[in-house]
Amino acid sequence: AQSVTQPDIHITVSEGASLELRCNYSYGATPYLFWYVQSPGQGLQLLLKYFSGDTLVQGIKGFEAEFKRSQSSFNLRKPSVHWSDAAEYFCAVGAKTGGYQKVTFGTGTKLQVIP
Amino acid sequence: GAGVSQTPSNKVTEKGKYVELRCDPISGHTALYWYRQSLGQGPEFLIYFQGTGAADDSGLPNDRFFAVRPEGSVSTLKIQRTERGDSAVYLCASSLYGTSGDNEQFFGPGTRLTVL
Repeated sequence: AQSVTQPDIHITVSEGASLELRCNYSYGATPYLFWYVQSPGQGLQLLLKYFSGDTLVQGIKGFEAEFKRSQSSFNLRKPSVHWSDAAEYFCAVGAKTGGYQKVTFGTGTKLQVIP
Repeated sequence: GAGVSQTPSNKVTEKGKYVELRCDPISGHTALYWYRQSLGQGPEFLIYFQGTGAADDSGLPNDRFFAVRPEGSVSTLKIQRTERGDSAVYLCASSLYGTSGDNEQFFGPGTRLTVL
């Protein structure tokens, strides 16, 4: 079974600083990888996804993530954080199971942005 | 609306009561998923529907939990004899096709269930 580890429960960065959120996954085959963002009272929004091809994936809101098979990682990055990026971020891994995609989420990283 | 909707947004009930949570997926989406998100945790898979049938209910924690999707659109998650440990946010998601590897799941805002 697949699993996801997000080692950082809470991260604080200054507005304008760069950001990297860590994600490690466990899965026996090539995974489908996702990053979602959840703001208070809002549903989960997909930031980006990796299925195959280029290991550097561009997403919405200026985010990118890099798939590193050798490290079983899919870290999320943003060069300059905005106050509106404060939210909770979830990494997820999907596996084709019985003809559909079963997604397993990490426990999340809560991002605080200070002025 | 164009997105996934869930009702009610909040539900407070007493231990032992029965509750129903409703999900309206995006029109035309054949795949529907239920997840449970406990405090401080990521969403946890409960059940997947392809059309009207539950193709995978392996995430349902016990037989107090049941879900239906009789017409292949709206789904209802039913919880019998609620317990305090059932308190969580219940999320619904839908996708256009269930069998393709790259289909995005679109999530609703969730129903926050509190069992007193």
